[in-house]
Amino acid sequence: DTGVSQDPRHKITKRGQNVTFRCDPISEHNRLYWYRQTLGQGPEFLTYFQNEAQLEKSRLLSDRFSAERPKGSFSTLEIQRTEQGDSAMYLCASSLWTGTGELFFGEGSRLTVL
Amino acid sequence: RKEVEQDPGPFNVPEGATVAFNCTYSNSASQSFFWYRQDCRKEPKLLMSVYSSGNEDGRFTAQLNRASQYISLLIRDSKLSDSATYLCAVKDYGQNFVFGPGTRLSVLP
Repeated sequence: DTGVSQDPRHKITKRGQNVTFRCDPISEHNRLYWYRQTLGQGPEFLTYFQNEAQLEKSRLLSDRFSAERPKGSFSTLEIQRTEQGDSAMYLCASSLWTGTGELFFGEGSRLTVL
Repeated sequence: RKEVEQDPGPFNVPEGATVAFNCTYSNSASQSFFWYRQDCRKEPKLLMSVYSSGNEDGRFTAQLNRASQYISLLIRDSKLSDSATYLCAVKDYGQNFVFGPGTRLSVLP
């Protein structure tokens, strides 16, 4: 499978714990995006990378959230001191920087904070 | 005002019907436009890009009106399998994709 892959697919955690999600983009894609989606809403932008550089972060992204893409390939999204409001689907997407650069999404990592 | 807004839905239509969705965007500098389809509890999947001259892919037609800052999606001869949420996405100069809240479509037998 050469699509975007995310791990884990599901994560249940207690409030206050830290969680980390991993995303492996399509290999030739140099742009990688993280989105968050809650029920009945569209995906909400969190951050994106071009290669290893984090080029934009949403103002909605609190200090508890951090994302990395150290070698310009896979990326991690860490949420520290989780809160119940962090419960959502975390979607990773990748794209090429050329052309219209459509996004291709992974299947997502569903987080439930108890 | 949200950056990208869509018809609230849901749309419940019989098989074979024609249905149209609208999407408006607030950033006049937006560069690229897309329609995505999302099935329940699945990831969004690209349905089609929207070009300035409008474009068609089988039963699906997308239109862009830059002056009025809206995008439309027309689905002809609806199939049961078209039931999904349709998301409008707009890309700005900063390469950020902004999604609308989606419009849910149910095609009924």
